[in-house]
Amino acid sequence: ETGVTQTPRHLVMGMTNKKSLKCEQHLGHNAMYWYKQSAKKPLELMFVYSLEERVENNSVPSRFSPECPNSSHLFLHLHTLQPEDSALYLCASSQELAGDLYEQYFGPGTRLTVT
Amino acid sequence: QKEVEQNSGPLSVPEGAIASLNCTYSDRGSQSFFWYRQYSGKSPELIMFIYSNGDKEDGRFTAQLNKASQYVSLLIRDSQPSDSATYLCAVETSSGGSYIPTFGRGTSLIVHP
Repeated sequence: ETGVTQTPRHLVMGMTNKKSLKCEQHLGHNAMYWYKQSAKKPLELMFVYSLEERVENNSVPSRFSPECPNSSHLFLHLHTLQPEDSALYLCASSQELAGDLYEQYFGPGTRLTVT
Repeated sequence: QKEVEQNSGPLSVPEGAIASLNCTYSDRGSQSFFWYRQYSGKSPELIMFIYSNGDKEDGRFTAQLNKASQYVSLLIRDSQPSDSATYLCAVETSSGGSYIPTFGRGTSLIVHP
């Protein structure tokens, strides 16, 4: 256990559905991240929140909508997804000080399948 | 576009040998460098980080950084079959005044008995 939990672990949804992924960290970190991992592609950073403010939106389609209500929780709201959005979605947290990047701790991921 | 390059492999080594994994990066301003290990079906876990030029050792693992050549490597001594995994190189890169992690594609390592 890394101190980062994600729910659900598996999700199958149709293209017209709306669902949300949840991430919670118990490490006292001040930064949280969403990544997409597809087969044979590098880990793709989607969103970064530092001190609950979004500091990076890496050109992600608007059908993905993040929410960070506090430093321990991060959500990814999904709507009208496409089959190519099927992937492993990973949440991570880290401690950031004065702009320096420190090591990240990853959750177990949500395996998303869009039908 | 800031890039982090790794040979996807697979890199196959016999048990007990030294495995050498390499990573190059394009952002000269990068200051923090990380190696993660990812077993099949699992999420990445941190092995080592390095911030200064030179070598950093932790048990069987040694990270090497050369900022002038924009090169970071990971050596695994006395490789074990349990080391078989994908190794991800991550580099802190600048983006609009912030620093974000950029990952390489990962190198698949196979340690055979």
